Amino acid sequence: GAGVSQSPSNKVTEKGKDVELRCDPISGHTALYWYRQSLGQGLEFLIYFQGNSAPDKSGLPSDRFSAERTGGSVSTLTIQRTQQEDSAVYLCASSLGSYSNEQYFGPGTRLTVT
Amino acid sequence: SQQGEEDPQALSIQEGENATMNCSYKTSINNLQWYRQNSGRGLVHLILIRSNEREKHSGRLRVTLDTSKKSSSLLITASRAADTASYFCATTGGSNYKLTFGKGTLLTVNP
Repeated sequence: GAGVSQSPSNKVTEKGKDVELRCDPISGHTALYWYRQSLGQGLEFLIYFQGNSAPDKSGLPSDRFSAERTGGSVSTLTIQRTQQEDSAVYLCASSLGSYSNEQYFGPGTRLTVT
Repeated sequence: SQQGEEDPQALSIQEGENATMNCSYKTSINNLQWYRQNSGRGLVHLILIRSNEREKHSGRLRVTLDTSKKSSSLLITASRAADTASYFCATTGGSNYKLTFGKGTLLTVNP
């Protein structure tokens, strides 16, 4: 069956521009997560959705980062006024429920801010 | 912030040999999971061990957990070139959903 998909796979943007990253979770998975992987910080949790609500946004690094989820499915992570330190691979994962601990990851979006 | 630390940071072995990677963590956990990552992209779930379990097997994988030492090990037996990847441990604690990852071990299996 279809796994988690993310788009675009690569994104190069100029400093100061806004970017949107998209995640399509596995059908039927109610929980969705965003993580970020960078050389300096490793793999970091960003935000967690249960359905369309985000009970935990604690990992978002600044108010330039926001995310939404609609229809209990697709999620978009938006970074406004990108900075070079935002360069990283952004990974999305989904799971059947928040207590179904096995998370299925997408291939990631590699963001490069020049 | 990182919860766990894997060691070694890098491991190079010959095909057919066994590979052992270790993970230590700092706070109490609900479970510990191991993931594999190829070429810096998507993570693949390998195995989950709960805090009340001590050992678990899945195919060529064997995971142990010692909660008194706050450590886990992943053993891959009879390694293959296709096992070349980065391996990460990840824990869930009070939140029960948020994965906190270690820094990973880069395993290279030479044919």
